[in-house]
Amino acid sequence: DAGITQSPRHKVTETGTPVTLRCHQTENHRYMYWYRQDPGHGLRLIHYSYGVKDTDKGEVSDGYSVSRSKTEDFLLTLESATSSQTSVYFCAISESSDADTQYFGPGTRLTVL
Amino acid sequence: AQKVTQAQTEISVVEKEDVTLDCVYETRDTTYYLFWYKQPPSGELVFLIRRNSFDEQNEISGRYSWNFQKSTSSFNFTITASQVVDSAVYFCALSEAGYSSASKIIFGSGTRLSIRP
Repeated sequence: DAGITQSPRHKVTETGTPVTLRCHQTENHRYMYWYRQDPGHGLRLIHYSYGVKDTDKGEVSDGYSVSRSKTEDFLLTLESATSSQTSVYFCAISESSDADTQYFGPGTRLTVL
Repeated sequence: AQKVTQAQTEISVVEKEDVTLDCVYETRDTTYYLFWYKQPPSGELVFLIRRNSFDEQNEISGRYSWNFQKSTSSFNFTITASQVVDSAVYFCALSEAGYSSASKIIFGSGTRLSIRP
């Protein structure tokens, strides 16, 4: 199994508060991704990173920001959480850009009240 | 634009039956990759298979097999002699090679498979 951890695994927060989710990998893969999973939508890409300090937006990036200061860590921040951001968040990693296989972390269940 | 359709929202079969999960995709690229992932009740996403657009050979791995047909833009997944442990949500996904600077995968909405003992 790819060495990917996410923290926290569960979080309950209130509307308007900032939230940061962390993804940590031990595989030294260049690419990292954040997805959200909602019923009926499969997984949708929020942001991705193709190297340290190199990030770009995905399909559903509004309300989210990311940072990657080290190869192994990719942070997802909700600047001011809203109830629509209640979801399960998955981090993924891939080794190359050639449509390589993405391996997923265990997920973080976030509830915004 | 790329799109993945899994028309079967839920399937329920009795153990030992064969079951096929359908996946239809849309893409304008000639080079692309198709994937299947499994999400068991525990919630993690498990990679099952990756297939590139130039390889139409069917793939078999134990009780699992995949049928890739470019003519119908389909990449169907069959489980033979299903077992209760196969109960999960299965996602089909598509990635267009060389898209921007990372492999951005588009997922279908998933098929929930329940195997009854």
